[in-house]
Amino acid sequence: GESVGLHLPTLSVQEGDNSIINCAYSNSASDYFIWYKQESGKGPQFIIDIRSNMDKRQGQRVTVLLNKTVKHLSLQIAATQPGDSAVYFCAENIQAGTALIFGKGTTLSVSS
Amino acid sequence: ETGVTQSPTHLIKTRGQQVTLRCSSQSGHNTVSWYQQALGQGPQFIFQYYREEENGRGNFPPRFSGLQFPNYSSELNVNALELDDSALYLCASSSRLAGDGEQFFGPGTRLTVL
Repeated sequence: GESVGLHLPTLSVQEGDNSIINCAYSNSASDYFIWYKQESGKGPQFIIDIRSNMDKRQGQRVTVLLNKTVKHLSLQIAATQPGDSAVYFCAENIQAGTALIFGKGTTLSVSS
Repeated sequence: ETGVTQSPTHLIKTRGQQVTLRCSSQSGHNTVSWYQQALGQGPQFIFQYYREEENGRGNFPPRFSGLQFPNYSSELNVNALELDDSALYLCASSSRLAGDGEQFFGPGTRLTVL
């Protein structure tokens, strides 16, 4: 599968591959982190979240990893499908429910 | 359970005009946040409303103002529109009572300032 160590604005994968999207967050005091998916013409859609007291959380086909030492967040998508094509944003909260600070988005393109 | 709705979907204004955007929060949610998303960028926090009061504000000038109503719906008002105000305006609702931070976004209002 495709993986990137640093943030890249675009990621192209084949259907069925695993995808890894990386994000660096800004504030070491942030307590809550979220990954959003945004399709063209739509608002961001919640994918998965993680709190600062965890380093890994799994959902359906998605896993989020948190490395507080280097302020790094990653989203792993297993068996990527064409419907996963979208822009992915990470976001952080100093306190859950307050202002979200969004990172740079990554455009994921999945070809079949 | 209805999701977050926003109106209008698209809007064209000219520089100097004023605009009001509307948001209905998801059923059961008492907190509304507004974000501005310029083309190709991530959303930027404008402000948040909780119990009809502003509860946090981002780096936006005072000509950006808002309201929250008793039914938790909200308005974003922008005065003296500038060309750089052209963006997608997103509303997100959440529930303080739930104790989590998940914010649910509406589809946005696309504002074009000419």
